[in-house]
Amino acid sequence: EPEVTQTPSHQVTQMGQEVILRCVPISNHLYFYWYRQILGQKVEFLVSFYNNEISEKSEIFDDQFSVERPDGSNFTLKIRSTKLEDSAMYFCASSRADRAGTEAFFGQGTRLTVV
Amino acid sequence: AQKITQTQPGMFVQEKEAVTLDCTYDTSDQSYGLFWYKQPSSGEMIFLIYQGSYDEQNATEGRYSLNFQKARKSANLVISASQLGDSAMYFCAMREGRRGYQKVTFGIGTKLQVIP
Repeated sequence: EPEVTQTPSHQVTQMGQEVILRCVPISNHLYFYWYRQILGQKVEFLVSFYNNEISEKSEIFDDQFSVERPDGSNFTLKIRSTKLEDSAMYFCASSRADRAGTEAFFGQGTRLTVV
Repeated sequence: AQKITQTQPGMFVQEKEAVTLDCTYDTSDQSYGLFWYKQPSSGEMIFLIYQGSYDEQNATEGRYSLNFQKARKSANLVISASQLGDSAMYFCAMREGRRGYQKVTFGIGTKLQVIP
């Protein structure tokens, strides 16, 4: 069964450093998303991406964040200068279509710890 | 107003019993989708069940069923014959149908613990 894969599963980084979280969406999917979940809190939308551009982003997704689809398979989230409050589980998701009934498939998440 | 409300922070259920996890939602769109995801302690997000706003029948997937009451804007998850492996966080989520509005909004979750 196709699945979304994320690497690494756990990343520890020093405050102020740049991190890149990687995702391989399901191959025939066209819409890609990043979500984050701060420990013990709900899952929050960060950004959606379609046709090589951001289609929507939340207020959390400020200038320190960027997304890219550098080749035909990877979808990355870059955090330029990490802060302690960026520590969270980051989920990548993909979906075939952008209609209300289309489920999003989530990866297993990358746990980012900023120290 | 919260888009997705889950009022039960935690629930206990005896193994083999059924349990209902509550979810209410708020939207002015006519077309939307409702989802339930399971998040075990390992952290991954697992899709369980989906209900479309135009679906007349309640969705079912194995031991999971979604009690969809559109007029009341509720989408409760029913797990029948609970198993120990069902212990996890459960998130209700909604995808709204306006073109270009592509995000899924999650509720705060309900922690389910199945007791042997």
